[in-house]
Formats: sequence, structure tokens, C-alpha cells
Amino acid sequence: DAGITQSPRHKVTETGTPVTLRCHQTENHRYMYWYRQDPGHGLRLIHYSYGVKDTDKGEVSDGYSVSRSKTEDFLLTLESATSSQTSVYFCAIAGTSGGAGTGELFFGEGSRLTVL
Amino acid sequence: AQSVTQLDSQVPVFEEAPVELRCNYSSSVSVYLFWYVQYPNQGLQLLLKYLSGSTLVKGINGFEAEFNKSQTSFHLRKPSVHISDTAEYFCAVSPPNTGFQKLVFGTGTRLLVSP
Repeated sequence: DAGITQSPRHKVTETGTPVTLRCHQTENHRYMYWYRQDPGHGLRLIHYSYGVKDTDKGEVSDGYSVSRSKTEDFLLTLESATSSQTSVYFCAIAGTSGGAGTGELFFGEGSRLTVL
Repeated sequence: AQSVTQLDSQVPVFEEAPVELRCNYSSSVSVYLFWYVQYPNQGLQLLLKYLSGSTLVKGINGFEAEFNKSQTSFHLRKPSVHISDTAEYFCAVSPPNTGFQKLVFGTGTRLLVSP
């Protein structure tokens, strides 16, 4: 168990409203990631973080912003949700052992977002 | 840039039969290769990975995969599947030593195991 909690797990919202998804980890991992999963596309990286206040864009970052004010929390914000952002969002952390990467991502259970 | 092709979107198979899920990749550099499994309503979990060394990689739940550099493939196999193997399987590729920022996932193969 990598100690990753995503909230909310399910959310329905309307177009134009702001939405924030939270990823919380209990194991002090440095690298955290937000993905979206859509049929026919697999998983695509939205944003990632390599430390507190250190974030960068992924493949599909338009319309999304992130923040990481403390190690354990990585927030994904949709400033003005659109129907194209209806998706399942996954948070992930990069596994480490003795400070070195293990070559493994650990995923949360996902947050299903529906934008009407 | 890397890309990953999973040739089959869905693979139906009977319980106790063998299965192969295909994955091909394209890359101009050497790569790390991964297979992840996603059970219904859950996140992904790592099945196995190839970073270097032996081209035959064994993973959890009796799965194995073989890295074939000349064919740029990393097919996943299991000699005898169980009902509980019903899930979606994702192949992924990454350049070595870059973290996961450049990890690219395939579109997934849904394995359907029936009695």
C-alpha cells in the first residue's frame, strides 16, 4: 500500500465551474503525477511535481493547474470545467528505495469527474 | 519521442488457456518498458518491468514478458489464465533515467476471461 488517497472519488459539476481534486500521500515521496484516463487514449500526463512548489506541465496540461504547498498534497484544479474534461483522474507517485527510483509508479484509486 | 501500440483493444479467452497481449513501441533511443494492470474501479498496479539485463522478465500473478529489441516488442504472456485475470492491461515505455515525466502509455488491452 503506497498510502495514496484521492478526493473526491466522484464528482458531477456544471460547465464553467471550478473544480479541485486532491491527492494525498503518506510516504513522503518527492515525485507526484496527475494523469487522466480516457477510452482510446490510455493514460496521459497532465502535470507533475518534483518537490514542494516545483511543478511542470505534461502532455495535456491546457485547462489545468496544479499546486503543491507541502510534500504530502498535490492539488489539480480545473479553473473553468468543460465537458471535454469529463474523465477519470489518477494521481501517482514514483516509488523510491534508499533514495533511488524503483522504476515503479503507484496509483491512487481515481477520481471520476463528470462535467455537464 | 516514444510511442506505444497495443494492437488488440480486447482479448477474449477461456479460463486455463494461454494468452498473449501484444505491445510494440517506437523509439530512437533505448527504453525502459512496463506492463501495468487495472482491475475494475481501481488504479493501475505494476505487473512487471524491463530496465536492463535479461530480456525475459517475470512479474506478479504468473505473467511474463519478453523484450525483443529487433522487433521493438514487449509482449505479455501467461500460460494459463484465471477468471481473476479479467482486467485492462497497459503497456508503457520511457527513456531510461528520466523519471516518469516522459512515460508514455498504450491505449490498453481488455482481457476477458470466461469459464
